[in-house]
Amino acid sequence: GENVEQHPSTLSVQEGDSAVIKCTYSDSASNYFPWYKQELGKRPQLIIDIRSNVGEKKDQRIAVTLNKTAKHFSLHITETQPEDSAVYFCAFSDSGGYNKLIFGAGTRLAVHP
Amino acid sequence: SAVISQKPSRDICQRGTSLTIQCQVDSQVTMMFWYRQQPGQSLTLIATANQGSEATYESGFVIDKFPISRPNLTFSTLTVSNMSPEDSSIYLCSVVGGGTDTQYFGPGTRLTVL
Repeated sequence: GENVEQHPSTLSVQEGDSAVIKCTYSDSASNYFPWYKQELGKRPQLIIDIRSNVGEKKDQRIAVTLNKTAKHFSLHITETQPEDSAVYFCAFSDSGGYNKLIFGAGTRLAVHP
Repeated sequence: SAVISQKPSRDICQRGTSLTIQCQVDSQVTMMFWYRQQPGQSLTLIATANQGSEATYESGFVIDKFPISRPNLTFSTLTVSNMSPEDSSIYLCSVVGGGTDTQYFGPGTRLTVL
């Protein structure tokens, strides 16, 4: 069935370091790959997304790369700050956001001052 | 983006009872979804709430347990029926609208079943 594997499950970095989270999906029809950040007790917030016709997208310190051949996509956070500490979820869909999102298991990122 | 509210924000319920959760949006939206997030876990789609017709349920979720209504383009309810402790989770609605296909999430309803 549809699923996405997300690694690592936990990630601890020092402030200023980079963090990389990788997801591998199963459905070749997938065309939309959002990343959500969820702080403790809060709702998931979209931080960046990418579509299958693009290989990379960047927004300030955050970037996402997509390798359709290998069916994986990655989140890159540079110059990490303590406020980046949260759980990050990757997801995918075959119809943009108009269809169900299949979520990864999440990565708990801790950024230490 | 649309402003999404959910009621109640949290509740503690007794086994065997039912709870109805409301999701209200401040503007008309195209799609509304209901997700479940069990403690410390990821998000799983329960169903797509269809305006004016029966919801579309995902595998493992049934209408008798999770009846859903969507009477218009700004409002939906999810009922958790005949609750057991295993239903203790955060229930989140998400919406798509406003000319984009981004899913935005409501603040969630934290349910504890004793």
